Amino acid sequence: EAGVAQSPRYKIIEKRQSVAFWCNPISGHATLYWYQQILGQGPKLLIQFQNNGVVDDSQLPKDRFSAERLKGVDSTLKIQPAKLEDSAVYLCASSLGVGYNEQFFGPGTRLTVL
Amino acid sequence: AQTVTQSQPEMSVQEAETVTLSCTYDTSESDYYLFWYKQPPSRQMILVIRQEAYKQQNATENRFSVNFQKAAKSFSLKISDSQLGDAAMYFCAYPTQGGSEKLVFGKGTKLTVNP
Repeated sequence: EAGVAQSPRYKIIEKRQSVAFWCNPISGHATLYWYQQILGQGPKLLIQFQNNGVVDDSQLPKDRFSAERLKGVDSTLKIQPAKLEDSAVYLCASSLGVGYNEQFFGPGTRLTVL
Repeated sequence: AQTVTQSQPEMSVQEAETVTLSCTYDTSESDYYLFWYKQPPSRQMILVIRQEAYKQQNATENRFSVNFQKAAKSFSLKISDSQLGDAAMYFCAYPTQGGSEKLVFGKGTKLTVNP
């Protein structure tokens, strides 16, 4: 079974530029999560989708971050414009559904904002 | 705010020895799950073990076991017969209340295994 795929793996941009990350969850997984993991900290949930609907985006900085999950499968997370403090690893995870299901994580995208 | 505290930023253990990683949490829920995730260097985060709060028996997965003290809100991970491949960041996590069951993670413990 293929795991959660993410691209790119690494991205370096200047502040105020835009960037987008892509995630392809495990086939059949209805729930998709985007986490931000700053160096030295645990992951923090940014947004959670159930199929193509948003379940929780309370910690998403909506003035600069946006995310979508078209057709309830792939998802993209965008930052526009980026700030220095956005430097982090962005993790995508998926699970069978909402509830106490195991979350399967992708390898992450390491973003450096200069 | 619901929090997860891992008080040991770093731990080290000799190969084949046993090590215990600590975690405390704060929740007002009576029924919930607790998780330990492992994040090896430059590799994906994977689930190590899961504990259901309503079960009194501590969860065990091969060399990994937990010591769950519900009243104390403590959830420690014991790794027996440590192997070099156990070297990683370990995160304690639990889902917050509500329909999203959003996972809240601790800051992690970096485990080093010495040969």
